[in-house]
Amino acid sequence: NAGVTQTPKFQVLKTGQSMTLQCAQDMNHEYMSWYRQDPGMGLRLIHYSVGAGITDQGEVPNGYNVSRSTTEDFPLRLLSAAPSQTSVYFCASERGQGVSEQYFGPGTRLTVT
Amino acid sequence: SQELEQSPQSLIVQEGKNLTINCTSSKTLYGLYWYKQKYGEGLIFLMMLQKGGEEKSHEKITAKLDEKKQQSSLHITASQPSHAGIYLCGADRGNNDMRFGAGTRLTVKP
Repeated sequence: NAGVTQTPKFQVLKTGQSMTLQCAQDMNHEYMSWYRQDPGMGLRLIHYSVGAGITDQGEVPNGYNVSRSTTEDFPLRLLSAAPSQTSVYFCASERGQGVSEQYFGPGTRLTVT
Repeated sequence: SQELEQSPQSLIVQEGKNLTINCTSSKTLYGLYWYKQKYGEGLIFLMMLQKGGEEKSHEKITAKLDEKKQQSSLHITASQPSHAGIYLCGADRGNNDMRFGAGTRLTVKP
């Protein structure tokens, strides 16, 4: 099993550009989530999904969109990048929310200039 | 302010020494998770605690959740350089609401 994979590992964007961060898992987990990690702030939940076709907002959803067309994939879209979105983004999956541990991807380091 | 407060923010210890990291919440925790992160990498699950008074151990790491389920501690015995990294606590508040502390950066000097 590859676990949770994320692409790209690094990305530099200019303000106003859009892009999609990819996340995939091969563990047949129902629950997937996106976090951003900023210095001194810990991880903050952006969006999550409890299954294919179902998504919901987390703590800091503004400026991001998600979709979950399959169990395996959970892409995160930045609609119009802003410098405040400079961060490290982590995708995670879990067998069932709150019943087991989360498996995290290696992260995407995004810089918006 | 953080909903989950971790202390200390950073810690430097000599190899072989014991250490404790604390995680405090202002609200009752449904579940408390400990993760370890190496610089530039994702998080690795360490332990999950759900019951008040619960204690779990894995190798030289022990985690406890207090009776009121508002504080947890992570204790490392006889630290090694391999223990170095960032330790994060995460709390399940229910209703798919997962929160994390800011992390404790641990350095172990050989």
